[in-house]
Amino acid sequence: GAVVSQHPSWVICKSGTSVKIECRSLDFQATTMFWYRQFPKQSLMLMATSNEGSKATYEQGVEKDKFLINHASLTLSTLTVTSAHPEDSSFYICSARKFFRDRDYEQYFGPGTRLTVT
Amino acid sequence: AQSVAQPEDQVNVAEGNPLTVKCTYSVSGNPYLFWYVQYPNRGLQFLLKYITGDNLVKGSYGFEAEFNKSQTSFHLKKPSALVSDSALYFCAVRLSNTDKLIFGTGTRLQVFP
Repeated sequence: GAVVSQHPSWVICKSGTSVKIECRSLDFQATTMFWYRQFPKQSLMLMATSNEGSKATYEQGVEKDKFLINHASLTLSTLTVTSAHPEDSSFYICSARKFFRDRDYEQYFGPGTRLTVT
Repeated sequence: AQSVAQPEDQVNVAEGNPLTVKCTYSVSGNPYLFWYVQYPNRGLQFLLKYITGDNLVKGSYGFEAEFNKSQTSFHLKKPSALVSDSALYFCAVRLSNTDKLIFGTGTRLQVFP
């Protein structure tokens, strides 16, 4: 299998506080994980690529000091939204890359985390 | 610039009828193409992919897609739609020599009983 979980599934926080979202690959090791953001009725936007044991690579326009990513183990990446504001409210989805024997690989997606900042 | 286009925001089809969800792409090099489905408040589920080989790719839940290089298209199809197929469908392309996926804007499929 290739199951990716996210925790929490939804969170409400007050403006100015920080929120941590976890992404776990449950039955495989993932050296690379990805964080996406999805606005209502819109497509997924890649925010950053998270590599185990090294710094994340952020996409253009994504504030790395606001969206802190840590990939401390082969099965866990975390996204921390610091000093959250209402405009950070969104659906955050992670994915994990799994390799197959033929050197092909796929991204498996988590169920998403709905963040609402009040 | 590399991109993926899904020209239809919504597709409506009656249950039992065939369905097509359109996707065109613009990439340099050989494309890796994907279809994903998303149910409300859920992450994406993989349906199928094209990397090389047979232009007709069969995937999960009875879906298939046809890769057409000359038309740069990768339309998703199903011979007989089910009400439970109603969801948001995303076409995506993996950029050459990277892990990054670029997603289309999504097409909402509505299957009516």
